[in-house]
Amino acid sequence: EVQLVESGGGLVQPGRSLKLSCAASGFTFSDYAMAWVRQAPKKGLEWVATIIYDGSSTYYRDSVKGRFTISRDNAKSTLYLQMDSLRSEDTATYYCARRELGGPPYFDYWGQGVMVTVSS
Amino acid sequence: DIRMTQSPASLSASLGETVNIECLASEDIYSDLAWYQQKPGKSPQLLIYNANSLQNGVPSRFSGSGSGTQYSLKISRLQVEDIGSYYCQQAHSNPYTFGAGTKLELK
Repeated sequence: EVQLVESGGGLVQPGRSLKLSCAASGFTFSDYAMAWVRQAPKKGLEWVATIIYDGSSTYYRDSVKGRFTISRDNAKSTLYLQMDSLRSEDTATYYCARRELGGPPYFDYWGQGVMVTVSS
Repeated sequence: DIRMTQSPASLSASLGETVNIECLASEDIYSDLAWYQQKPGKSPQLLIYNANSLQNGVPSRFSGSGSGTQYSLKISRLQVEDIGSYYCQQAHSNPYTFGAGTKLELK
């Protein structure tokens, strides 16, 4: 059974940093591209970043470029999101999601989500 | 960025009814479109990909159609477990954008 379990969320002040983790199990992690998708309170879904299967390429939405870093450790089957210079508009539930193998970037499995609140 | 305009924003329907949700892309996305269901307090689940392909394990009362810039999700014979929010997502070009969502409630 595919499982994605996020951790590392919490309350953080504007301008500070936070690192999210996503532990994957039930599939060969190193075969799949992975992504982070966020959802602000009572709002819709917003793609944040993607990393390909071996970590050699990464992609970000413009609003987080230069502040967030997506990375992975295939030996530990774990995905990360380092978030620096956090802003109030980064407040959201962050989901780790697996990108479907081959073809367009659809997300076929999602974690339960972890809440990040940026506030003074 | 490709804008995804989803309608209606909310929908109230009775059990057994058929409902339709529409998604309009700001440019041709060549059927690179997915639909997700998000039940209250849960994470999203993939229902439909490539505009009309049913994800494994999804009931056949869900179906997708469309091409170019116009797409739709149909739910036939509405069940109580179908209540939640639905989102379209274009997978044609970066950044991969979602519609604002449709909240489906029981009448």
